[in-house]
Amino acid sequence: NAGVTQTPKFRILKIGQSMTLQCTQDMNHNYMYWYRQDPGMGLKLIYYSVGAGITDKGEVPNGYNVSRSTTEDFPLRLELAAPSQTSVYFCASSASLLAEAFFGQGTRLTVV
Amino acid sequence: GNSVTQMEGPVTLSEEAFLTINCTYTATGYPSLFWYVQYPGEGLQLLLKATKADDKGSNKGFEATYRKETTSFHLEKGSVQVSDSAVYFCAPSGSARQLTFGSGTQLTVLP
Repeated sequence: NAGVTQTPKFRILKIGQSMTLQCTQDMNHNYMYWYRQDPGMGLKLIYYSVGAGITDKGEVPNGYNVSRSTTEDFPLRLELAAPSQTSVYFCASSASLLAEAFFGQGTRLTVV
Repeated sequence: GNSVTQMEGPVTLSEEAFLTINCTYTATGYPSLFWYVQYPGEGLQLLLKATKADDKGSNKGFEATYRKETTSFHLEKGSVQVSDSAVYFCAPSGSARQLTFGSGTQLTVLP
């Protein structure tokens, strides 16, 4: 059971570089989410999607972009990385708003 | 939209002590309620859930009861173990098409 798969697990970026965090799920879930978790803190929602072709901003979208061309994939794009984007990023999916969420293992990103 | 207020940590207990982590929520309609657990270096995983008022969710010795009248979903365990050391998140199901999480409570259980 793959569930939600995130790649890469770790990444170091230099200031100003760009990268894409990959997220794919094999449960045919419509809802997908990106969160960031800073050390000792809770989860902050970056972007979410309610289905292919539909995305919307969460609490902290600045500096990020997303796309949802298929049900399975929900990549998160960082343009012009900044030290403030150093964090652990989690992707999650759920079948509906009332259903439990399934999380990936996270991507630990450091911007130097 | 939905929101949740969760007991702040960190919480440190001795093994076999009783655990309570308080959680209250505000929500429109009738959300499902969840507790998630995050072990060090891992993503969140579902611990237990309740889908309607007065339901009790339970798993691994943990319990929580959906109290609509007090809008609460407190997590309890009668006897904690060192292996329960983790961060615990309370979450009502989403509104406005979003999942909402509390700030998390860090639990450390000492042998």
